Amino acid sequence: NAGVTQTPKFQVLKTGQSMTLQCAQDMNHNSMYWYRQDPGMGLRLIYYSASEGTTDKGEVPNGYNVSRLNKREFSLRLESAAPSQTSVYFCASSVGPSYNEQFFGPGTRLTVL
Amino acid sequence: AQSVAQPEDQVNVAEGNPLTVKCTYSVSGNPYLFWYVQYPNRGLQFLLKYITGDNLVKGSYGFEAEFNKSQTSFHLKKPSALVSDSALYFCAVRPYNTDKLIFGTGTRLQVFP
Repeated sequence: NAGVTQTPKFQVLKTGQSMTLQCAQDMNHNSMYWYRQDPGMGLRLIYYSASEGTTDKGEVPNGYNVSRLNKREFSLRLESAAPSQTSVYFCASSVGPSYNEQFFGPGTRLTVL
Repeated sequence: AQSVAQPEDQVNVAEGNPLTVKCTYSVSGNPYLFWYVQYPNRGLQFLLKYITGDNLVKGSYGFEAEFNKSQTSFHLKKPSALVSDSALYFCAVRPYNTDKLIFGTGTRLQVFP
């Protein structure tokens, strides 16, 4: 039982390049989330998916797109990376979007030059 | 605006002494409250949550937290700190009738031998 996995672990991009961050969970969870973590700002929600087939914007969605490929997988795409998107990105999942705790992946450290 | 505040960027405590990490919140309705811990280069791990019922909740690794509705606080406590408790701690709140968690900015706990 791997829990929540994320790929890649590290990535360096040039401004304007695109990339997709992958996330998968094997806990049969319904809800999945993408956060970014920046020093002094805690975690901020980018997008989330309450269930397969649905996605909604979080606090900081600009510059990102998401795809809930199936119940297991939730990807985050940067179409044209900017230095302001340099951050650590975490994927999380939970049984449901209510009072259930979220389980986090190990994170992807992204640097945009 | 709905928010979570962790007023201390860092808390220092000697091993064996009790520790408190503070959290206050501002949300409408009855909140669901969570504490998470993050070790270096890792994702967040769930520690404990308050949903309803007894104001004192117990969680992993000997941690507990007390929900105080009148003071809108949810402080994390441990009777006897360990060096291995040194980490970054996040308080989070899920406002009533929403699907999203709001995270505080985090408090770094340093336990000295």
